[in-house]
Amino acid sequence: GAVVSQHPSWVICKSGTSVKIECRSLDFQATTMFWYRQFPKQSLMLMATSNEGSKATYEQGVEKDKFLINHASLTLSTLTVTSAHPEDSSFYICSARPGLAREQYFGPGTRLTVT
Amino acid sequence: QKEVEQDPGPLSVPEGAIVSLNCTYSNSAFQYFMWYRQYSRKGPELLMYTYSSGNKEDGRFTAQVDKSSKYISLFIRDSQPSDSATYLCAMKSGGSNYKLTFGKGTLLTVNP
Repeated sequence: GAVVSQHPSWVICKSGTSVKIECRSLDFQATTMFWYRQFPKQSLMLMATSNEGSKATYEQGVEKDKFLINHASLTLSTLTVTSAHPEDSSFYICSARPGLAREQYFGPGTRLTVT
Repeated sequence: QKEVEQDPGPLSVPEGAIVSLNCTYSNSAFQYFMWYRQYSRKGPELLMYTYSSGNKEDGRFTAQVDKSSKYISLFIRDSQPSDSATYLCAMKSGGSNYKLTFGKGTLLTVNP
């Protein structure tokens, strides 16, 4: 149980374009979903927290107009990187919290390369 | 001082060895402690979740928490090559704040 999927697993896009990443909880309803970014040999940095039907809460220093988060249902959250630039190239990982649980379960990640 | 400190390693051990991984933290508000395993280019997998000080055992894994010293450990007994991965400690405060703060991760290699 507690499986989280992400799509796509790897995406290459050109500078200036936008890319959408999906995060789905497959066997549970996620009260809260989280989006992280991980640079090579670095730890996970929380970008934003989203609750179904509410606006996402962004961490300090994360541009909300650049990283659009939509948590449309209890099983789906999307992250759209708008006007991507090479410095946005990173590993983006989502996690989901089931119901009232304290634990978070992570997706497999999406590797974004902006050329 | 960072909130969570974790030696990034790398740590290399022979198969069958006991592995000790550690994190220290400075924020007294942290109440919940987790260990995640992350294989290369994959998302983190929850291994252990603890709240109180003391030991928690699950198979070959033992998580230890010492809140008075702000120090947590993960022990792996009879280590296997399949344990080779990056191990991340993570922590959160109590209440309804579900934000996790991660250590940098320790890269472990278990040699057959």
